[in-house]
Amino acid sequence: DQQVKQNSPSLSVQEGRISILNCDYTNSMFDYFLWYKKYPAEGPTFLISISSIKDKNEDGRFTVFLNKSAKHLSLHIVPSQPGDSAVYFCAATDFSGGYNKLIFGAGTRLAVHP
Amino acid sequence: SQTIHQWPATLVQPVGSPLSLECTVEGTSNPNLYWYRQAAGRGLQLLFYSVGIGQISSEVPQNLSASRPQDRQFILSSKKLLLSDSGFYLCAWRIQVLYGYTFGSGTRLTVV
Repeated sequence: DQQVKQNSPSLSVQEGRISILNCDYTNSMFDYFLWYKKYPAEGPTFLISISSIKDKNEDGRFTVFLNKSAKHLSLHIVPSQPGDSAVYFCAATDFSGGYNKLIFGAGTRLAVHP
Repeated sequence: SQTIHQWPATLVQPVGSPLSLECTVEGTSNPNLYWYRQAAGRGLQLLFYSVGIGQISSEVPQNLSASRPQDRQFILSSKKLLLSDSGFYLCAWRIQVLYGYTFGSGTRLTVV
């Protein structure tokens, strides 16, 4: 039973346009949501996060939106660049059991074309 | 500075052979440590986490085990590998909640 879902396995965007990556979750107790970027044969790197008490967080070209009522978050990249091509993972923090755990989605592969 | 080291980078092992992957953290004490696996075409699955020496919690029943013999050392092991153990294994360390985890560079394990 996936608690964090990324239903689009891939996304192709033209350079300079907006990339929108989506993520849905089922557990209303999740406190923080994070986006990670991963290149092949490397570990994921942190990109941006948002607390559940906010609905938007912006960092340069990256903005994360959170809709708690819909249990949905999205990552917007504007403008998209070829170097943004990677797999993007959505994650949520789970404190159940008294320990902090990150629950990841399956990832979305973004391809930005010149 | 705080860093996380993971080795080896790649590993090819025959079915039935043992496994030992090591992860060490520098620049911090008493970190929360995690082992994740990314199977082909799938997301990151949490395998084990540890909040201290000798304290291991398993998330998914499997053919693997973990140990934490020292504060900054986390080891993933198997007595007999299966084909289904193939994947990309990642060690991670939690910094603070808003920044999630720092991941190691990963180990690509291929069981043949």
